[in-house]
Amino acid sequence: GAVVSQHPSWVICKSGTSVKIECRSLDFQATTMFWYRQFPKQSLMLMATSNEGSKATYEQGVEKDKFLINHASLTLSTLTVTSAHPEDSSFYICSARDSAGALSYNEQFFGPGTRLTVL
Amino acid sequence: GDSVTQMEGPVTLSEEAFLTINCTYTATGYPSLFWYVQYPGEGLQLLLKATKADDKGSNKGFEATYRKETTSFHLEKGSVQVSDSAVYFCALSPSGTYKYIFGTGTRLKVLA
Repeated sequence: GAVVSQHPSWVICKSGTSVKIECRSLDFQATTMFWYRQFPKQSLMLMATSNEGSKATYEQGVEKDKFLINHASLTLSTLTVTSAHPEDSSFYICSARDSAGALSYNEQFFGPGTRLTVL
Repeated sequence: GDSVTQMEGPVTLSEEAFLTINCTYTATGYPSLFWYVQYPGEGLQLLLKATKADDKGSNKGFEATYRKETTSFHLEKGSVQVSDSAVYFCALSPSGTYKYIFGTGTRLKVLA
């Protein structure tokens, strides 16, 4: 149980295009999902908290118009990087929290990540 | 604000050596503490956790004890294997939130 998937696992795009990354909780419901960014050999930086049916909460310094988050169902959140540029190249990781509480309290379950390369 | 400090790596050990990766934290109240492991090319996997002072988390031979008095959660393993080579992240979740704050990660390389 507690599997989180991400799609795609990697993507290469041209500068100026938009890229959508999906995060799904496969066997549990998640009213709350989190999006992180990880730079090479560095830690995970929380970008935003995604709440089902409401607007995402962005961390300080993260451009909400640049990184659009939609959490339309209890099992799916999407991150769209709009007008991507080379500096947006990174490893994006999502995580999900079991909203029903059947799984461990306060524990986040992580997806495998999506590597974005912007040319 | 809340933060996590991990020892800098990389850490290189011979197989069967003893491992310690230090982790200290700054937080108000009683955060939950976690160790996650990231194998090459993969996402993060929970290794162990502790939710209150003096709790000991353990899994796969790894263990860590929640020390409130020293605000520490050091990761230890008595005998490492080559397959333990990975990046290890210490994290905390502040009281009353579901957010995680991660340390910078420590890369471990175990040589045969």
